[in-house]
Amino acid sequence: KNQVEQSPQSLIILEGKNCTLQCNYTVSPFSNLRWYKQDTGRGPVSLTIMTFSENTKSNGRYTATLDADTKQSSLHITASQLSDSASYICVVSVRSSASKIIFGSGTRLSIRP
Amino acid sequence: GAGVSQSPRYKVAKRGQDVALRCDPISGHVSLFWYQQALGQGPEFLTYFQNEAQLDKSGLPSDRFFAERPEGSVSTLKIQRTQQEDSAVYLCASSSGGAHYNEQFFGPGTRLTVL
Repeated sequence: KNQVEQSPQSLIILEGKNCTLQCNYTVSPFSNLRWYKQDTGRGPVSLTIMTFSENTKSNGRYTATLDADTKQSSLHITASQLSDSASYICVVSVRSSASKIIFGSGTRLSIRP
Repeated sequence: GAGVSQSPRYKVAKRGQDVALRCDPISGHVSLFWYQQALGQGPEFLTYFQNEAQLDKSGLPSDRFFAERPEGSVSTLKIQRTQQEDSAVYLCASSSGGAHYNEQFFGPGTRLTVL
């Protein structure tokens, strides 16, 4: 069964600190993996996308990694800001399917001043 | 507008009422998706359109759910005889192609509460 699991479920850190969010997936055949940021009351917004051959991708203070062998990804946030408070969702697409994408349940990140 | 818009943003319905949720995708985007997002969960796929054709409706939970996109742009998700378990945020997303390679752009969602 195609699944995406994220950990931790929630996380609270102090402003300025770094953190790492985890994503494990059992999706096959794999096409790509995205990390989305979802602010409260808003739709998700894409942060990074990685295909099978890519093992790291950065977007400002966000750095995503992908290990296609172990089917694990991480999202590292550097020097966190209050505006980073949001849910971060890992999404994996199935190759050759225009509609089959699997969402994780997300990690709820809270940044405290 | 530049992004995906949805209306209404909030809808409260009494159990048994019919509701219609609207999605205006980004102009020119071929693909349109509907998702249901329960509180504290990730979005769950409902249905997918390519232009006006509904190519995948495998995620619709029951025959009370119906979606259309008659002219290949605006889409409506209709829920008949609403039940309490239908309470959720309904997200619409559009993309220039299929979801496997193309970025999806999400609307703000419609929060449906069924009393």
